[in-house]
Amino acid sequence: QSVLTQPPSASGTPGQRVTISCSGSSSNIGSNTVNWYQQLPGTAPKLLIYGNNQRPSGVPDRFSGSKSGTSASLAISGLQSEDEADYYCAAWDDSPNGRVFGGGTKLTVL
Amino acid sequence: EVQLVESGGGLVKPEGSLRLTCAASGYSFAQYDMNWVRQAPGKGLEWVSSITTSSHYIYYADSVKGRFTISRDNARNSLYLQMNSLRAEDTAVYYCAREVGVALRFAHSDIWGQGTMVTVSS
Repeated sequence: QSVLTQPPSASGTPGQRVTISCSGSSSNIGSNTVNWYQQLPGTAPKLLIYGNNQRPSGVPDRFSGSKSGTSASLAISGLQSEDEADYYCAAWDDSPNGRVFGGGTKLTVL
Repeated sequence: EVQLVESGGGLVKPEGSLRLTCAASGYSFAQYDMNWVRQAPGKGLEWVSSITTSSHYIYYADSVKGRFTISRDNARNSLYLQMNSLRAEDTAVYYCAREVGVALRFAHSDIWGQGTMVTVSS
């Protein structure tokens, strides 16, 4: 059972907008920043969003992040077939001290 | 090129030990906190351990506390994970990752290695 809660799956058609939620608590999302990672099949995770809503260089602006209270969301607009991957949210948890991940959301592009 | 390369994985019997190494290159290793994260076959990501730049602060997941030891050698640009009393549930791909941020609470893993597979089985 993951500390951060994500839906196990999400789907959309090309061009659509999809959102993935991540629910936590006051000791993790409520107190610290949220990061999102994309993992393509058979590869290492890749940083997608950091600091709640910042995109690293090279990440398309189709990807955006937001946070409110103890929840966070990842939005993908203009869905493309290459966005099909697993997405994980992560945050530091103050009690006990440690990084926590969501269980991951498998995104399918129909 | 900034790169992390893990090594040391393999097949080990239950209760055995293994030492993973993460070799960093292309950046000033000593200036960054580091993490180990693992992923069991078909499962999600699980944080294992974090270590700050000077090894002053070290944190472990409850699932590995008392069995795993994280360490680093800044002179050798290397991160280590000593794994003792291994169990079947420790079977996973182990990734090392570089942390960027003023503190671990506000940090993110911007660079990941390719991972090394650890299989615990008799």
